[in-house]
Amino acid sequence: QVTLKESGPALVKPTQTLTLTCTFSGFSLSTSGMRASWIRQPPGKALEWLARIDGDEDKFYSTSLKTRLTISKDTSKNQVVLTMTNMDPVDTATYYCARGRGSIFFDYWGQGTLVTVSS
Amino acid sequence: QSVLTQPPSASGTPGQRVTISCSGSSSNIGSNTVNWYQQFPGTAPKLLIYSNNQRPSGVPDRFSGSKSGTSASLAISGLQSEDEADYYCAAWDDNLNGYVFGTGTKVTVL
Repeated sequence: QVTLKESGPALVKPTQTLTLTCTFSGFSLSTSGMRASWIRQPPGKALEWLARIDGDEDKFYSTSLKTRLTISKDTSKNQVVLTMTNMDPVDTATYYCARGRGSIFFDYWGQGTLVTVSS
Repeated sequence: QSVLTQPPSASGTPGQRVTISCSGSSSNIGSNTVNWYQQFPGTAPKLLIYSNNQRPSGVPDRFSGSKSGTSASLAISGLQSEDEADYYCAAWDDNLNGYVFGTGTKVTVL
């Protein structure tokens, strides 16, 4: 059974760095073709892809957020970590992690974690 | 900043067929496969269609996907009240070297 769960602070202040952890089970990022991504959704708005990491350590980032994002993985702990620097109120959103496969589709998603950016 | 364009809304009565369009470009839909996600309020998105027209296990066959050139479509045949949700198309974009989602379509069952 594949599960993913996001964890991290619910509230961050402007200019702070956000660190989110995705803890998953039921698959390994070491398996060929497995990937993990972070996706966010501001309240009432559309989904926005943020970053992806593959089992071979290849990393991809949203062009518009590339300078602020870092994605990493700890295969032994079955975790994927996303850091986002210089947080702003417009970054308030529900942040999801998801398992990516094949030609890139997300077949399993975490429940999401709401992050509010406010002083 | 979605690069895939969808109509904001679509509606139909129970039993009708509803189609949602997704317009992209040569670097995304034109070059890669399209996926569709269904999202109910307050819940995580769910994979509905992958690789243009494939349904994951458990997805009813009244949902179908197609792609032509730089556009794709999701069709819901025999619309049911439980299909009322938001729907997003998505694809990898070779120019952006990233994944792009559509603007989203809210389906209402009248």
